[in-house]
Amino acid sequence: DIVMTQSPDSLAVSLGERATINCKSSQTVLYSSNNKNYLAWYQQKPGQPPKLLISWASTRKSGVPDRFSGSGSGTDFTLTISSLQAEDVAVYYCQQYYSTPYSFGQGTKLEIK
Amino acid sequence: QVQLQQSGPGLVKPSQTLSLTCAISGDSVSSNSATWNWIRQSPSRGLEWLGRTYYRSKWYNDYTVSVKSRITINPDTSKNQFSLQLSSVTPEDTAVYYCAREKRVDIFGMDVWGQGTTVTVSS
Repeated sequence: DIVMTQSPDSLAVSLGERATINCKSSQTVLYSSNNKNYLAWYQQKPGQPPKLLISWASTRKSGVPDRFSGSGSGTDFTLTISSLQAEDVAVYYCQQYYSTPYSFGQGTKLEIK
Repeated sequence: QVQLQQSGPGLVKPSQTLSLTCAISGDSVSSNSATWNWIRQSPSRGLEWLGRTYYRSKWYNDYTVSVKSRITINPDTSKNQFSLQLSSVTPEDTAVYYCAREKRVDIFGMDVWGQGTTVTVSS
């Protein structure tokens, strides 16, 4: 099974500043046949289900603000929020869909400094 | 737009079977471009994918190993819904349970989620 590990567990960033969250998989999630990384990022606010932000490691879902971006390949990935807004306070999760059982990172709690 | 509506009891006694249903609107449980998933969330386990059902000329299921002997996910094409049954529950099965669609065309990932059902296992 693929284990997903995020860092840090929590992060406090000033409004307008950059936030960076890391995700590492225990084995590659890059399919060589199509050169795609089977990695998604989600945002979860209290009392709500997770919301899909990014798939294929770097493709934003329609309607997601462009301040959210994803990067990385193979086993190491990053979610970046370029200019933190108050509404971005949430817990962020990475998830691999390379193979079942699907697995999520433990989450990174993002707060305002 | 696609919506998932969960239903089922919030309290289950130990050793009994947890049963939840996820009704789909705006898509079909028989879609060839989606899978239908159950995921749970607890402070101790975080987000845990439990399993899925999907149709690709025939029905398939995948389950996570930790619950494989106790879990059944079934589609119901007549009602356009799918269900979760988890048998022999213990307090460790206490969690918020979500159903979710995994889109398998264009943008992959769990793009639609149910509202969540808080299930407590207690006598």
